[in-house]
Amino acid sequence: DGGITQSPKYLFRKEGQNVTLSCEQNLNHDAMYWYRQDPGQGLRLIYYSQIVNDFQKGDIAEGYSVSREKKESFPLTVTSAQKNPTAFYLCASSIGVFMNTEAFFGQGTRLTVV
Amino acid sequence: GQQLNQSPQSMFIQEGEDVSMNCTSSSIFNTWLWYKQDPGEGPVLLIALYKAGELTSNGRLTAQFGITRKDSFLNISASIPSDVGIYFCAGDPRVEDSNYQLIWGAGTKLIIKP
Repeated sequence: DGGITQSPKYLFRKEGQNVTLSCEQNLNHDAMYWYRQDPGQGLRLIYYSQIVNDFQKGDIAEGYSVSREKKESFPLTVTSAQKNPTAFYLCASSIGVFMNTEAFFGQGTRLTVV
Repeated sequence: GQQLNQSPQSMFIQEGEDVSMNCTSSSIFNTWLWYKQDPGEGPVLLIALYKAGELTSNGRLTAQFGITRKDSFLNISASIPSDVGIYFCAGDPRVEDSNYQLIWGAGTKLIIKP
């Protein structure tokens, strides 16, 4: 079955540590996205990538970094520079920004700073 | 930047009641998407709308793309307990300064009264 897989489901981080969230898709989608969701809030865009080896900052990129070395994978690193990293992180993909904007989501990773 | 106003923020309904929620924008959108998010999961696409005036159904769900292209509504008929969750609208403004990114509403939380 095609889909988007995020791992891990739950992640705990000590203050000052970097952590990397995994996102893999087998939908053959060109575009991939990372969103952050806080309790009772909507989705805020962190980073997006339209094609391999290219990515763009979203609305709240500070304290985060990404890479897109393969079409299927778009890992997100939450760095120690992110002052309030506790949140629910969602990865999504779509066919391509110029063709179709229907985004399909993974199941999310809940990150908690301890 | 562009914003979507989604209302209501939350709804308390009795099982069997019909539900209506909407999103409005100050600018024109080319696509409207409606998603549902269950607790601790990623949003799932319910309905996609591509043309002004378009009315689309998916089971008990019906959504319309407003004629002015600045609004959309979602109706749920004869609600059942599994309808509980958060419903998000998202729009594609498809203008250059948006970087072709979806704009998201803040969500409507649907709660069914026992």
